[in-house]
Formats: sequence, C-alpha cells, structure tokens
Amino acid sequence: GAVVSQHPSRVICKSGTSVKIECRSLDFQATTMFWYRQFPKQSLMLMATSNEGSKATYEQGVEKDKFLINHASLTLSTLTVTSAHPEDSSFYICSARPGTSGGFEQFFGPGTRLTVL
Amino acid sequence: GNSVTQMEGPVTLSEEAFLTINCTYTATGYPSLFWYVQYPGEGLQLLLKATKADDKGSNKGFEATYRKETTSFHLEKGSVQVSDSAVYFCALTSGGYNKLIFGAGTRLAVHP
Repeated sequence: GAVVSQHPSRVICKSGTSVKIECRSLDFQATTMFWYRQFPKQSLMLMATSNEGSKATYEQGVEKDKFLINHASLTLSTLTVTSAHPEDSSFYICSARPGTSGGFEQFFGPGTRLTVL
Repeated sequence: GNSVTQMEGPVTLSEEAFLTINCTYTATGYPSLFWYVQYPGEGLQLLLKATKADDKGSNKGFEATYRKETTSFHLEKGSVQVSDSAVYFCALTSGGYNKLIFGAGTRLAVHP
C-alpha cells in the first residue's frame, strides 16, 4: 500500500526556536497533502491543505505565519513551526492523497510529537 | 457545521467478545463515512468506508452500515482479537472529499 513517512518522529525544542517537520510520500505522487494536529485524547484537527506548487489553504483559526507549509514537490511537504512556544506542543500528523484517480483516500504518516520547553 | 461524535473509551474487552463502537454524525448534504484505525506507533489506516445511505463497509471482520435515518455509522465486530487493540476513528468527508472531519477516537484494548 501507499506509505507516508514523517521526520522526525519526536522533537524537543526550546521556546522561541523554529522546528521543521517533513512529510514524504514514499511510493506515490501526492498532489495534495494535509496537516493535522492532535491533542491528547482528542480528535485530529485539520490545520491546512497544501497542493503542490501553490500556497497552502489554512483552516480558520490557524496562524499562517506561525505554521509555515511548503509543498515544493509531489513527494514532500514541510511544516515549520516558527517561534515555538509550549502551547504548540502537540502531535502533528500529515496525510497525502494520490494525484491520480485515487479519489478521496488519504494516506497518513505516523506523526511527529513536538515538545516545546 | 459538520461533526462526528463517537463513544468515549477506553473500551476493554476479552478476546472473542462482540465489539460495538458508536458513531453519529451531523452533516449537510451526503457525506461519505469512514472508520480509520491507528495501531500503536503507526499512522492512521483506512479500515472501511461507505459512500451512500444503506451501504455496508466491511474489512478484516469489521462492519459498519451507513444509516441516514439515525445519522449513524456504528462499528461492529463479532469476535475481537488481541491484535485489534488500537484507536478507532470515525470520520466523514466534507467539502467535496477534500476534507476529513474526525471523531475523538475510541481506544480499544482486548485482553487474552
């Protein structure tokens, strides 16, 4: 099946620093990738949708300047948390949707746990 | 707006017990409905889906039927195994397949 990887799986950083999380589709091309945030014992909340080669579409309430998304190729999207603060600590999950006739299905990465001290 | 509500966990069962995880939804239009499973340390995987009313999705012994009249999509399995221990998410599409809206997830623990 389609595989999506994320790197790193865990990251701890100091408050005020920036952290980049990579999401890769390993065996398919993804024209659309999604970034989610998951709080403990809560659901996945969609943060933004990114299409290769264009600007990401952010959900209401998500700060564009804080969560920078780049989808520069058909297999790679990055999420950069800028000037991270403890409240940004969370589990970040990406998903990718094939660019062919794969329809609606999204394939999910294993997630990245961010801890901001 | 569109939303998904699923039963709180954790659900703890003995092996071979019957499983039901309730899921109800609120949506405009005619969403497609999904169950995803997240095994420890892994990403979410699509377990089953149903795209229209009265459709039954099934996979690996799990089933769920799209009930428009009760706006429900309950997940069932007749005999659970230890290997079914995971977190299960009910979800629906919104915005023409472009977005998935998830329930809070239900953790299932199956003991031998």
